Amino acid sequence: DGGITQSPKYLFRKEGQNVTLSCEQNLNHDAMYWYRQDPGQGLRLIYYSQIVNDFQKGDIAEGYSVSREKKESFPLTVTSAQKNPTAFYLCASSIALTGTTYEQYFGPGTRLTVT
Amino acid sequence: DQQVKQNSPSLSVQEGRISILNCDYTNSMFDYFLWYKKYPAEGPTFLISISSIKDKNEDGRFTVFLNKSAKHLSLHIVPSQPGDSAVYFCAASGWGGSEKLVFGKGTKLTVNP
Repeated sequence: DGGITQSPKYLFRKEGQNVTLSCEQNLNHDAMYWYRQDPGQGLRLIYYSQIVNDFQKGDIAEGYSVSREKKESFPLTVTSAQKNPTAFYLCASSIALTGTTYEQYFGPGTRLTVT
Repeated sequence: DQQVKQNSPSLSVQEGRISILNCDYTNSMFDYFLWYKKYPAEGPTFLISISSIKDKNEDGRFTVFLNKSAKHLSLHIVPSQPGDSAVYFCAASGWGGSEKLVFGKGTKLTVNP
């Protein structure tokens, strides 16, 4: 079964700690994305990557970091510099090539709570 | 500045009737539009899309209409079913280089039996 896996489903951390959220896809998609969703808000783009070893900042990248060492994996680190880290984090992927239209497919999400 | 707006946070309809969800956009460079459905604590699921060369796209009970001059699109669900109760997000992207999707804030649809 092809899809996107995010783990864990729920994550709890103390303030001041960095935490890494996992995202894996076996869809052979080139592009991967990280979004954040807050109550009553739409999805806001944190980082995205079109190819391995390359990634771009989205609209709210401050306090986050990513890596793309493998096509299948796009982990997101929420650092202690992120002022409001508690949120629902969604990973997505797509066959995104410049100039084409496409859909993004989403993982099940990780609920991060920082206290 | 919100480029994609869903001005109705919620909508309630009776089972069997039509649900109409609306979305407005401000960026004239957008030329591909998508609707996603999302249940609580789950990732969004792609529903239907439309490119700017069309004004209507239909898939079963779901139809999306695009009015480019008004920068407005709508999703029609006919007939509505209780299982359609979810949050619906409108999203838009540009052509030829704009890989990012811009999402609206969503409309929560409740279909009452």
